[in-house]
Amino acid sequence: AQKVTQAQTEISVVEKEDVTLDCVYETRDTTYYLFWYKQPPSGELVFLIRRNSFDEQNEISGRYSWNFQKSTSSFNFTITASQVVDSAVYFCALTTRLPLVFGKGTRLSVIA
Amino acid sequence: DGGITQSPKYLFRKEGQNVTLSCEQNLNHDAMYWYRQDPGQGLRLIYYSQIVNDFQKGDIAEGYSVSREKKESFPLTVTSAQKNPTAFYLCASSLYRDSSGNTIYFGEGSWLTVV
Repeated sequence: AQKVTQAQTEISVVEKEDVTLDCVYETRDTTYYLFWYKQPPSGELVFLIRRNSFDEQNEISGRYSWNFQKSTSSFNFTITASQVVDSAVYFCALTTRLPLVFGKGTRLSVIA
Repeated sequence: DGGITQSPKYLFRKEGQNVTLSCEQNLNHDAMYWYRQDPGQGLRLIYYSQIVNDFQKGDIAEGYSVSREKKESFPLTVTSAQKNPTAFYLCASSLYRDSSGNTIYFGEGSWLTVV
């Protein structure tokens, strides 16, 4: 069975603070893919990143960075110097051979 | 512009009525999906289709039906058998039939309220 856990339901930070969103996954497959999506108030899910299980390199894209650790089955997402526009619900997701399995999401509120 | 178009954005229906949500994509993607989102529940898979004229049940298929007569279209019917149909519905697609590793792209969603 596949499972994604996002333990943080809601997070509030003040603008310019760094914030890390946690994601823990479970799968018995050795080949799998992990994703992060952003859902702004408009509702559409916006793809942020995809990572396969054989690539544990951390990734940085502007203010966003991702830390993938197979040893702890985690794929955490950090926003540096947060901005009000980062306010959204963020979903972590996992897939092997079947369609995406999502975590329940973390609602991030960035306060000016 | 290429993308996934869902319609209508907002829909109100009386209890006991069937309703069909439209999903069209012009990305030439093989696979299409329907997810349901409830507050605090994340996204749950209703149905998916990897090829025309074929589709598979997801985790919460009861009370829903789909068809895939054309590659670009994957409509979802919410039937009167669905006990709690009020939710946000998201359609998605991915390039290849095998979803492994494929990035799934989403439409803007449809809000269904049953009164």
